[in-house]
Amino acid sequence: TQLLEQSPQFLSIQEGENLTVYCNSSSVFSSLQWYRQEPGEGPVLLVTVVTGGEVKKLKRLTFQFGDARKDSSLHITAAQPGDTGLYLCAGPAVRENTDKLIFGTGTRLQVFP
Amino acid sequence: EAQVTQNPRYLITVTGKKLTVTCSQNMNHEYMSWYRQDPGLGLRQIYYSMNVEVTDKGDVPEGYKVSRKEKRNFPLILESPSPNQTSLYFCASSLAGQMDIQYFGAGTRLSVL
Repeated sequence: TQLLEQSPQFLSIQEGENLTVYCNSSSVFSSLQWYRQEPGEGPVLLVTVVTGGEVKKLKRLTFQFGDARKDSSLHITAAQPGDTGLYLCAGPAVRENTDKLIFGTGTRLQVFP
Repeated sequence: EAQVTQNPRYLITVTGKKLTVTCSQNMNHEYMSWYRQDPGLGLRQIYYSMNVEVTDKGDVPEGYKVSRKEKRNFPLILESPSPNQTSLYFCASSLAGQMDIQYFGAGTRLSVL
């Protein structure tokens, strides 16, 4: 079974700090998605990365897909309380020749004012 | 408004009492799926469906059933719930498959006593 491991599991920081969240696997993924989930809601897509080495920016969020397409990172610059939430990476289980979608274990971010 | 609707949002039941959680989407999406979310484990896919009458197991299908008789509906059935099925459940849909944007419902919090 393909797995996606995220680190750190928890992160508490002050407003204005920078942070990086990692999503790692021993398997190659054809693409990876990043979602953010706020309390009481379902996850919402932030970005999809498709090409090895690809970098995408969404305001203060920078997403990178590893060259070998086995890992991805999310960097947040000058974090704000509104960034608080659970960040999840997800990818299709293509190695298993199925249509399953695999989610990572998640990183719970708390940004204090 | 485009949405995925789950019902009920909260449910407390007892061991062995059959229950159904409904899921409906109004976006004419082909792909629908069910996940459970448990602390430290991220989202784990229970079942998914590529189209009407086509369903397949995800990573944790034991104890669950699904059906896809209509494109818009994808109910999750627990024939004989057990306490280890206490969890937060999410239904999601996407246009054509697991590589597309997943749209999630607001979640159903289930407690099995």
